[in-house]
Amino acid sequence: DSGVTQTPKHLITATGQRVTLRCSPRSGDLSVYWYQQSLDQGLQFLIQYYNGEERAKGNILERFSAQQFPDLHSELNLSSLELGDSALYFCASSVASSYEQFFGPGTRLTVL
Amino acid sequence: DQQVKQNSPSLSVQEGRISILNCDYTNSMFDYFLWYKKYPAEGPTFLISISSIKDKNEDGRFTVFLNKSAKHLSLHIVPSQPGDSAVYFCAASASLYGGSQGNLIFGKGTKLSVKP
Repeated sequence: DSGVTQTPKHLITATGQRVTLRCSPRSGDLSVYWYQQSLDQGLQFLIQYYNGEERAKGNILERFSAQQFPDLHSELNLSSLELGDSALYFCASSVASSYEQFFGPGTRLTVL
Repeated sequence: DQQVKQNSPSLSVQEGRISILNCDYTNSMFDYFLWYKKYPAEGPTFLISISSIKDKNEDGRFTVFLNKSAKHLSLHIVPSQPGDSAVYFCAASASLYGGSQGNLIFGKGTKLSVKP
């Protein structure tokens, strides 16, 4: 158990809908990262938050957004969903001075 | 354009023998490298890492070697055990903002099967 929690574990929805994925980082970790893993793809970095502020952005679509709240949990919002958004979405967290990121169990999103 | 490449999608090894997983990178700004292990239906688990100032790091059965001139790193598992069967991801990072935080760039993974 990495200490990072993600909810829900599975999510099935229809095209055009909007969903919210939630992540709670390990106790004491200020950084939260979101990654997407599609079929046959490695993990693709989406976005990073540090202590409530956006720190870095990767290949995140404009339809996707994220935020980190004062209690340090983070939410990833996916809107106008398309079939190609079906993937595993992982959240990771780290302490300020470490490269090592600790991953949650992921949310499997299926868009029908 | 893939900055981190794992050219072997799969590797099969006999229990007790050595497993060698390879990873190549293209970005010379990368200064920290990590290996993660992933079981089905779980998130990646951190395994071992190495800074670019070193060429070897060892942790029990796991050793990572870094060859900066070749932009190549490898993970050695000795001896291999059936419980090591998983997908192994190589990841790299570059220092940002003068500090150690930064997003990880992952390879596509190598599926290791260790046969009893």
